[in-house]
Amino acid sequence: DTAVSQTPKYLVTQMGNDKSIKCEQNLGHDTMYWYKQDSKKFLKIMFSYNNKELIINETVPNRFSPKSPDKAHLNLHINSLELGDSAVYFCASSQVLTGTGGIGKQYFGPGTRLTVT
Amino acid sequence: GQQVMQIPQYQHVQEGEDFTTYCNSSTTLSNIQWYKQRPGGHPVFLIQLVKSGEVKKQKRLTFQFGEAKKNSSLHITATQTTDVGTYFCARSDYKLSFGAGTTVTVRA
Repeated sequence: DTAVSQTPKYLVTQMGNDKSIKCEQNLGHDTMYWYKQDSKKFLKIMFSYNNKELIINETVPNRFSPKSPDKAHLNLHINSLELGDSAVYFCASSQVLTGTGGIGKQYFGPGTRLTVT
Repeated sequence: GQQVMQIPQYQHVQEGEDFTTYCNSSTTLSNIQWYKQRPGGHPVFLIQLVKSGEVKKQKRLTFQFGEAKKNSSLHITATQTTDVGTYFCARSDYKLSFGAGTTVTVRA
């Protein structure tokens, strides 16, 4: 069984369009994330939700709007797509660790490769 | 944000040789995680280091956390073609902040 799944795997669209990426985890984790990986493989967090509440928003343009209908799902909607949005978007989930000062290991989804033309 | 610096960016290794990738921070790390991403794949958790001076081994992989908790390293012995990929370190506090990664290619 897939732990963290994302759809679609590939997304090719034109500038100005609106698109959504869906993510689901069956690990029972409380926290879910969206990461963006650029063409140089740099991986950066965009958003984090804990039990459906937004807890991290890393200065992402407000064209990006995450939505968490329940703690097993975290979707990402992108308005007015731009060329610079082309990247691989990873969803991830984790449990919050106690006693170590950090978050738990991340389970990543397979990624969605977004190409904006 | 507070970043972790990872070197080298690229590592070309002859099969059977050893190599090391390093992760450095200007501030003390509460803990550090390591991930591996195969070409075309997604990052996969390898290990978390928490204690000062900690050393952990996974088969041919040895992970170290510095005494001052400001640096970490991953050493791979007898490199195999299955080791190909990008290795990331990430500081862990309220979020993960990833290093730029070391992309490893292996010459057979």
